[in-house]
Amino acid sequence: NAGVTQTPKFRILKIGQSMTLQCTQDMNHNYMYWYRQDPGMGLKLIYYSVGAGITDKGEVPNGYNVSRSTTEDFPLRLELAAPSQTSVYFCASTREAQETQYFGPGTRLLVL
Amino acid sequence: AQSVSQHNHHVILSEAASLELGCNYSYGGTVNLFWYVQYPGQHLQLLLKYFSGDPLVKGIKGFEAEFIKSKFSFNLRKPSVQWSDTAEYFCALRANQAGTALIFGKGTTLSVSS
Repeated sequence: NAGVTQTPKFRILKIGQSMTLQCTQDMNHNYMYWYRQDPGMGLKLIYYSVGAGITDKGEVPNGYNVSRSTTEDFPLRLELAAPSQTSVYFCASTREAQETQYFGPGTRLLVL
Repeated sequence: AQSVSQHNHHVILSEAASLELGCNYSYGGTVNLFWYVQYPGQHLQLLLKYFSGDPLVKGIKGFEAEFIKSKFSFNLRKPSVQWSDTAEYFCALRANQAGTALIFGKGTTLSVSS
């Protein structure tokens, strides 16, 4: 199993551009999560999904959108990039809510 | 509201020194507790977790943590650190409800000198 994979690894965006961060897991996990990690701030939840077709907001959802059309994929969309979205983005998944979350390698995003 | 506090922002130790990283949480109900480690340039990896049972849990690479319910604490310990333990350490909790994600502390950077 590849586990949780994320693409791209690194991206530079100009203010106002849009992009999609990809996340795929091959463990048939129901639950998937998007976090952002800012220096000295730990990880904060952006959006999560409890299964295909079901998504919900986390602590910091503004400026982001998600979809979950399949069990494997959970893309995160930035429509109008802003400097405040400069961060490292981690995707995670777990089979059931009460089990350990597995994290992807992260996407480093710089908005200039 | 749930929260996690990690008291030490940056800890600097020499090899073979003992380590204790503090973690306190705020939540009145049943919790699951985790310690994750992030080595430089890598993603988060699970060190250990507490769900129930023995409050002293052992994880990988010689780490252990003790859940003290009365103190709302879940401190991470290692009797003798190595240079390769240099990393950032995150304490996290999950309220024991279906569908809830992890609440992370701000992290502690551990630097071990050889």
